[in-house]
Amino acid sequence: AQSVTQPDIHITVSEGASLELRCNYSYGATPYLFWYVQSPGQGLQLLLKYFSGDTLVQGIKGFEAEFKRSQSSFNLRKPSVHWSDAAEYFCAVGAVGDYKLSFGAGTTVTVRA
Amino acid sequence: GAGVSQTPSNKVTEKGKYVELRCDPISGHTALYWYRQSLGQGPEFLIYFQGTGAADDSGLPNDRFFAVRPEGSVSTLKIQRTERGDSAVYLCASSLRAGGDEQFFGPGTRLTVL
Repeated sequence: AQSVTQPDIHITVSEGASLELRCNYSYGATPYLFWYVQSPGQGLQLLLKYFSGDTLVQGIKGFEAEFKRSQSSFNLRKPSVHWSDAAEYFCAVGAVGDYKLSFGAGTTVTVRA
Repeated sequence: GAGVSQTPSNKVTEKGKYVELRCDPISGHTALYWYRQSLGQGPEFLIYFQGTGAADDSGLPNDRFFAVRPEGSVSTLKIQRTERGDSAVYLCASSLRAGGDEQFFGPGTRLTVL
């Protein structure tokens, strides 16, 4: 069975500083990997996804993530955070021929001025 | 519509009552999913529709939960004899096809069972 672990429940970062959110997955086959962001009262919005190919994936809002098969990781990064990046971030895994996503428990990001 | 819509946005009910939650997917999306998100957790899969049929309902917690999609578009999640533990945000998502296509999520219905 597939599973996702997000080790950090809550991260506080200063505006303008860099951000990295960790995600580790467990899956027997080749995974599809996703990062979603959820702002209060909003639905989940896809930031980026990895299906195959280049292991460094660019997404929206200046985010990027790197797939490292050897470490079973898909960490999300942003070089310089903005106050509007305060939200909850979810890593999710799916697979070829599969349809349901398995989500991590999420990481809440607080941005301080 | 531009995105997935869900109604109501909030539903408060009493223990033992019956509730229906509605999802209107993006036009043309054949795949529809229901997830449940409890406080402090990520979404958990409930059921998946391909067209009108429930292709996988393995995530439904028990037989009090049921979902339909009679015309292959709008879906309704039905919960009988609600319990306090059913309180959560119920999320609906749709995708053009199943099996790896991006899932677009609605804003959710927050269900509170008193």
